[in-house]
Amino acid sequence: DGGITQSPKYLFRKEGQNVTLSCEQNLNHDAMYWYRQDPGQGLRLIYYSQIVNDFQKGDIAEGYSVSREKKESFPLTVTSAQKNPTAFYLCASSNPQGANTEAFFGQGTRLTVV
Amino acid sequence: AQSVTQPDIHITVSEGASLELRCNYSYGATPYLFWYVQSPGQGLQLLLKYFSGDTLVQGIKGFEAEFKRSQSSFNLRKPSVHWSDAAEYFCAVGARGFQKLVFGTGTRLLVSP
Repeated sequence: DGGITQSPKYLFRKEGQNVTLSCEQNLNHDAMYWYRQDPGQGLRLIYYSQIVNDFQKGDIAEGYSVSREKKESFPLTVTSAQKNPTAFYLCASSNPQGANTEAFFGQGTRLTVV
Repeated sequence: AQSVTQPDIHITVSEGASLELRCNYSYGATPYLFWYVQSPGQGLQLLLKYFSGDTLVQGIKGFEAEFKRSQSSFNLRKPSVHWSDAAEYFCAVGARGFQKLVFGTGTRLLVSP
């Protein structure tokens, strides 16, 4: 089945640690995105990538980093500089040049700082 | 600036009753509009989308939405709600060619027996 896989589903981080969230897609989509979801705030864009080896900051990129070395992978690192990392993180992908250009989402990773 | 407003944080509907969730947007270009649904702890599933053409669009699970350019609205409707429709619903706007979506804050739907 084609889709987006995020791992792990739950992640616990100690203060001061960096953690990396995995996102893999087998939909052959060019574009990939990371969103952060907090209660009552909807989804906010962290980073996005339109093509391999290229990515841009979204609205809340501070304290996060990404890489796009392969078309199917777009990992997100939550660094110690992110002061409030506890949230639900959603990865998405889309095919901007296609006829049906909606975004497809993974099942999310819930990150908790302990 | 691009924005989406979902004015209702929570809505409670009796099972079998009709439903309308409101969405208003502000977008400089031709908007591409989406409704997504999210069950607790899960990702987002696309219900329906509007790119162009007929302003009344049909989606999955019996949902429909109507695009009204003059009111900058894209309200979601369902004629008869089922208990399994209880979830959070998000309206989003983007532009064709690149899906940098802007989301509303969501509306949580509760279904009473």
